[in-house]
Amino acid sequence: GENVEQHPSTLSVQEGDSAVIKCTYSDSASNYFPWYKQELGKGPQLIIDIRSNVGEKKDQRIAVTLNKTAKHFSLHITETQPEDSAVYFCAAATNDYKLSFGAGTTVTVRA
Amino acid sequence: NAGVMQNPRHLVRRRGQEARLRCSPMKGHSHVYWYRQLPEEGLKFMVYLQKENIIDESGMPKERFSAEFPKEGPSILRIQQVVRGDSAAYFCASSPRQEAGNTIYFGEGSWLTVV
Repeated sequence: GENVEQHPSTLSVQEGDSAVIKCTYSDSASNYFPWYKQELGKGPQLIIDIRSNVGEKKDQRIAVTLNKTAKHFSLHITETQPEDSAVYFCAAATNDYKLSFGAGTTVTVRA
Repeated sequence: NAGVMQNPRHLVRRRGQEARLRCSPMKGHSHVYWYRQLPEEGLKFMVYLQKENIIDESGMPKERFSAEFPKEGPSILRIQQVVRGDSAAYFCASSPRQEAGNTIYFGEGSWLTVV
């Protein structure tokens, strides 16, 4: 099955700086890569996703890049704000529902 | 425009009891998925259901766990004879149909504690 590794496990950044989270996956057939933000006691919220026919996607302060050859993808958050503090999960799937999640990155934005 | 609704949000059960978790998908969604999140871990796929059909249960434990999505009413994840290791957050998600390009939306979760 698919194995997704996520790094780092914790990330502390100064407000206004950028945050980068990296994930690798094992199944070359994976073609869907969503990122989720989870706040304490809540469900995962989709923040951005990318499909294998696209190398990069951007939505305001959030961007995701995908390198299918190397089987890795990354989340970039620019101009971080305190409300960006949360746990972020990457996931990979060969279809759209059977997501394999990384272990999560706890992001803390210091004011 | 209600999202995916799960209840109860928190459930405490003694070892050996049964736990029933309910999920109502978003309006217009006919596909339901259940995921489990153990403490300090990512979510893990359990089962995919459509109305009256189990499509993929490859992530379900072989014993004590069952899921259904009846023609009327919410989807139910049932755990019989709960053990401490069942303590986790159980998330339901839904989508309008299963095809490429669809996004699945998660509910707020049901936190099960087995004492």
